[in-house]
Amino acid sequence: GQQVMQIPQYQHVQEGEDFTTYCNSSTTLSNIQWYKQRPGGHPVFLIQLVKSGEVKKQKRLTFQFGEAKKNSSLHITATQTTDVGTYFCAGPMAQKLVFGQGTRLTINP
Amino acid sequence: SQTIHQWPATLVQPVGSPLSLECTVEGTSNPNLYWYRQAAGRGLQLLFYSVGIGQISSEVPQNLSASRPQDRQFILSSKKLLLSDSGFYLCAAVAGGPTGELFFGEGSRLTVL
Repeated sequence: GQQVMQIPQYQHVQEGEDFTTYCNSSTTLSNIQWYKQRPGGHPVFLIQLVKSGEVKKQKRLTFQFGEAKKNSSLHITATQTTDVGTYFCAGPMAQKLVFGQGTRLTINP
Repeated sequence: SQTIHQWPATLVQPVGSPLSLECTVEGTSNPNLYWYRQAAGRGLQLLFYSVGIGQISSEVPQNLSASRPQDRQFILSSKKLLLSDSGFYLCAAVAGGPTGELFFGEGSRLTVL
């Protein structure tokens, strides 16, 4: 079936180190979305990428959408303790938004 | 913007008891509605989605059912809970088709004992 795969499942870094999570879809996507879920909270929308090869930045976060529109990445530069949480990518497939398994980021202060 | 109200926030239920989780949406009409379940430390599993009143699609065979009696109301139910039904249940909505931003409710944390 249609899937969105995300790696790594877990990532532990020292505060100040960079972090990257990768997302791959089994099919071409019309767009890719990224969400952040803080511990104990609900997922919150971060950004949507639509164009092939698109790159968007939000302060220390850089989001990329692959040329083939089947993969994406989220890179955080110089992590801070406020970045702790689980990051999900998601792609629309039929009437549904299919989520990757998420990457759980923990940070050593 | 959309607001998703979801309740109850927390509940502890014995095995074999019924369940009803309710979700209402404000700020949009005719949204696509979704129920997701998240086991502890895991990803989001889509359980049901609805594109309109009375229209329910089930993603996985299970002990749960969903209903959409009104445009902005989505209910998740079970007649008899199983231990494996424990988890964090999230209602979500998107307006204007499935490709837009998904708004989530605060979630309902269910523990079945």
